[in-house]
Amino acid sequence: GNSVTQMEGPVTLSEEAFLTINCTYTATGYPSLFWYVQYPGEGLQLLLKATKADDKGSNKGFEATYRKETTSFHLEKGSVQVSDSAVYFCTQVDGSNYKLTFGKGTLLTVNP
Amino acid sequence: EAQVTQNPRYLITVTGKKLTVTCSQNMNHEYMSWYRQDPGLGLRQIYYSMNVEVTDKGDVPEGYKVSRKEKRNFPLILESPSPNQTSLYFCASSLAGASNQPQHFGDGTRLSIL
Repeated sequence: GNSVTQMEGPVTLSEEAFLTINCTYTATGYPSLFWYVQYPGEGLQLLLKATKADDKGSNKGFEATYRKETTSFHLEKGSVQVSDSAVYFCTQVDGSNYKLTFGKGTLLTVNP
Repeated sequence: EAQVTQNPRYLITVTGKKLTVTCSQNMNHEYMSWYRQDPGLGLRQIYYSMNVEVTDKGDVPEGYKVSRKEKRNFPLILESPSPNQTSLYFCASSLAGASNQPQHFGDGTRLSIL
């Protein structure tokens, strides 16, 4: 079946550091890919998405590119802020049944 | 304001006492879904609904029931809760018909079954 594997956390960075959270997926078709973010005590919010190969999603300084050849959707940000501290989930959606498959989440802590 | 509303936000109860967690959305979304979030396991889908009167099992449906009598509401029912259902639960909704539509999540319901 479909699956998503993202790097284990927790990840701890200093403010203004570069962030990469790796994500790879397995799928039988061509899924849409999403990154969701969960701030403490809240539900998940969409951070960015990409719906086909080579698409780049971006939002709030975060970027991720849909790489079909490596089945990856790595999340990057050039300069993190304390307010970016949250749990990040890589997610794929199966186009045939709209089923979401989540990675296990990566906790990011940014220190001032 | 577009939102998904879950109630209650927190509940502590005992084994075997039936409970219902309500979920309501005001975006006229066709697709609604329930997830549970557990440490080290991420989010797992319990049930989903493509539209009124259409529901289907997700990855972990055992011990749960749902109904979709109206488009805006999708309650989660635990007929006889057990301690292994202690978890953080999220309801979500989205437009159906396209896999590129993001899910909108509620703020979560933390259930403790003693």
